[in-house]
Amino acid sequence: QVQLVESGGGVVQPGRSLRLSCAASGFIFSSYGMHWVRQAPGKGLEWVTVTWHDGSNKYYADSVKGRFTISRDNSKNMLYLQMNSLRAEDTAVYYCARIGSGSYYPDYWGQGTLVTVSS
Amino acid sequence: EIVMTQSPATLSVSPGERATLSCRASQSVSSNLAWYQQKPGQAPRLLIYGASTRATGIPARFSGSGSGTEFTLTISSLQSEDFAVYYCHQYNNWPPWTFGQGTKVEIK
Repeated sequence: QVQLVESGGGVVQPGRSLRLSCAASGFIFSSYGMHWVRQAPGKGLEWVTVTWHDGSNKYYADSVKGRFTISRDNSKNMLYLQMNSLRAEDTAVYYCARIGSGSYYPDYWGQGTLVTVSS
Repeated sequence: EIVMTQSPATLSVSPGERATLSCRASQSVSSNLAWYQQKPGQAPRLLIYGASTRATGIPARFSGSGSGTEFTLTISSLQSEDFAVYYCHQYNNWPPWTFGQGTKVEIK
């Protein structure tokens, strides 16, 4: 069965960096694009970034462009999110999600990892 | 950017009753619309994609309809496990991929 497990969240000071990881299993990781989607406490879902299955295309929300970088290692079935220059408004649960086959919507989601940006 | 607007923000329904949730797009998204269910402390779960196709394992009481800018998620007979927040999501025009603000379905 499809499993996505995020890790790397925690408390970080404003301006600092953090790297999130997402371990994928139960499917051919190298065949699927992947999203990161976040959810601030008590708020709705906000798309953050996406990478195609081979890393050839990457897109970012304006709110994170220039600060966050998505990457993947298909040999390790791993997805990453490098977050630099963190701000208080980046505080959220970060989910990795697989892109549905033949389309662009997320079909399977991880359980999320909480990032808290606070001094 | 396509803005997705859901209504109502909160829907109070008794178990066994029908629930109708609406989602409107600021411009046409064709049928590239998905619905997700999220319970407290859990990740979103895909219910519907392509505006009307149920995802694997989703009960038949969940149905989606619409195209263009107007969409509906209907839960024909609410069960206790259906009380949750529901989000619509467009994947027609990107980036960015955008979500509605959510509709909370609560017990009346």
